[in-house]
Amino acid sequence: QVQLQESGPGLVKPSETLSLTCTVSGGSISGYYWSWIRQPPGKGLEWIGYVYYKGSTQYNPSVKRRVTISVHTSKNQFSLKLSSVTAADTAVYFCARGVVVPGAIGVIMGGFDYWGQGSLVTVSS
Amino acid sequence: DIQMTQSPSSLSASVGDRVTVTCQANYDIRKYLNWYQQKPGKAPNLLIYDASNLETGVPSRFSGSGSGTDFTLIISSLQPEDIATYYCQQYDNVPITFGQGTRLDIK
Repeated sequence: QVQLQESGPGLVKPSETLSLTCTVSGGSISGYYWSWIRQPPGKGLEWIGYVYYKGSTQYNPSVKRRVTISVHTSKNQFSLKLSSVTAADTAVYFCARGVVVPGAIGVIMGGFDYWGQGSLVTVSS
Repeated sequence: DIQMTQSPSSLSASVGDRVTVTCQANYDIRKYLNWYQQKPGKAPNLLIYDASNLETGVPSRFSGSGSGTDFTLIISSLQPEDIATYYCQQYDNVPITFGQGTRLDIK
């Protein structure tokens, strides 16, 4: 059974960089897309971006200038870095596995079939 | 960005009721639509993929339909454990976007 677990600081100061790691167990990083999704308290879901196991990335334009998602295949992990955070970045951050589906050309990411439990990150001084 | 609009935003229903949630995209997303269930304090759980396919392990009382811009999630006979918030999600275009959610509770 595939399991994902987020880890990282729960409190980050404004203007600093939020860093989270997602460790994948029970399955391989290879062959899938790996995403970060966040949910501000009491609000809906926002996709942040994904990294394909081969290393290519796509980001939400809302955070594109501040975000880096990387894959660390040898450790079966992937990570999120979000710079210059503000209170608006306070949220529960989920890591999730994206399934690979056929696209018009090649493959694309479909739904998210496995999720971590979520990690609350608060931005506050 | 493709905007996903769910309705209603919230609804109350009785055990055994048939429940319908709709999701509308502001652009043709073909069949590239998934549905999730999220219970309080938990991660979302994939229910339906590609608009109408039931994810493994999901009860058959859940079903999905639609294509293009209009999609529907149906719970054929509401059970107490179905109390949750439901989200649709499109993956036709990046950025991936979610609906705002439909909160379902028991009347």
